[in-house]
Amino acid sequence: GENVEQHPSTLSVQEGDSAVIKCTYSDSASNYFPWYKQELGKRPQLIIDIRSNVGEKKDQRIAVTLNKTAKHFSLHITETQPEDSAVYFCAAAMNSGYSTLTFGKGTMLLVSP
Amino acid sequence: DADVTQTPRNRITKTGKRIMLECSQTKGHDRMYWYRQDPGLGLRLIYYSFDVKDINKGEISDGYSVSRQAQAKFSLSLESAIPNQTALYFCATAYGDTQYFGPGTRLTVL
Repeated sequence: GENVEQHPSTLSVQEGDSAVIKCTYSDSASNYFPWYKQELGKRPQLIIDIRSNVGEKKDQRIAVTLNKTAKHFSLHITETQPEDSAVYFCAAAMNSGYSTLTFGKGTMLLVSP
Repeated sequence: DADVTQTPRNRITKTGKRIMLECSQTKGHDRMYWYRQDPGLGLRLIYYSFDVKDINKGEISDGYSVSRQAQAKFSLSLESAIPNQTALYFCATAYGDTQYFGPGTRLTVL
């Protein structure tokens, strides 16, 4: 089955800095890659996703890049703010819709004022 | 997201007890999932259901069972709870590519 590795496990940055979280996947058939954000004590929520036919996707301060050849994808957060502090999970699925997500172990991002 | 609810929100039980965690949704979604979250291990899939008559095992189904009573309800049971089942449990629904998580149930098995 699919295996998703996520790094780093913790990331501390100063407010205003950029943060990058990286994930690798094992199954070349995977073609859908979402990112979920989980604030302390809250439920995970989808923040951005990318499909294998796209190399990059942006939404305001967050962006995701995908390298299909290397089987890795990354989350980029620019101009970090304290409210970006959370655990971020990457995931992969073979087909969007009627398939299951395999999640990475998560990255705890701490943004200091 | 009040559309996906879980009961109870917290539960402390003893080894060997039978426990049921319930999930209800008002979103009208066919697909429902049960995940377990442990520190440093991420979200791991226990069981999932693509419609009322469909039940599938996930990555870590041993020691768990589920029931899909209706489109809106998906219950997770621990037949004989053990301490290493202490974790945060999330139910989720899905529409399109997006999964919508419930608020979670924190289960402690003593």
